Amino acid sequence: DVKVTQSSRYLVKRTGEKVFLECVQDMDHENMFWYRQDPGLGLRLIYFSYDVKMKEKGDIPEGYSVSREKKERFSLILESASTNQTSMYLCASSRTAPGGYTFGSGTRLTVV
Amino acid sequence: AQSVTQLDSQVPVFEEAPVELRCNYSSSVSVYLFWYVQYPNQGLQLLLKYLSGSTLVKGINGFEAEFNKSQTSFHLRKPSVHISDTAEYFCAVSANSGYALNFGKGTSLLVTP
Repeated sequence: DVKVTQSSRYLVKRTGEKVFLECVQDMDHENMFWYRQDPGLGLRLIYFSYDVKMKEKGDIPEGYSVSREKKERFSLILESASTNQTSMYLCASSRTAPGGYTFGSGTRLTVV
Repeated sequence: AQSVTQLDSQVPVFEEAPVELRCNYSSSVSVYLFWYVQYPNQGLQLLLKYLSGSTLVKGINGFEAEFNKSQTSFHLRKPSVHISDTAEYFCAVSANSGYALNFGKGTSLLVTP
């Protein structure tokens, strides 16, 4: 069964910490995405990548960065975590041809 | 840019009743349309998609959706819902020249006995 795996289901971090959220897919997909999900706001795109070492800003990139050194892994980095980054973070991957995403189970991050 | 509006934030319905979750989109180019479902504490799962061809699309769990280009809509329907259909449903759109999906804010479907 194809999978997108997010390394942590729940994380609690302190304000100012550097936080790494990891995502790995085993489907050889070209594209990978990071979204955050907040009640009443739906899913908002943070960053995406369509190739190794390539990245594109989404709608809300401020306070975040990403890294894609290998095709299967896409990391989201919070350089200095703040309480307004408390959220559910969802990783997804897709092929270049249109067909929709495969999502991971999400990481619920709490910044205290 | 493409955008999606889900017209209802919550839809309560009784078990075995029909349901329609409404989705409208805006785009100046041809689009691909999707419905996803999210059960509590889980990621999103693809229900169905419209890429081209027949405007009536059938998905998993007995759901279907109809693409209406003139009304820029892609409403999701099920003729008889079950308690297990209680979940959050998201409509999403992408331009056929791009990869990223734009999601609506979601509709919470609550099925009660």
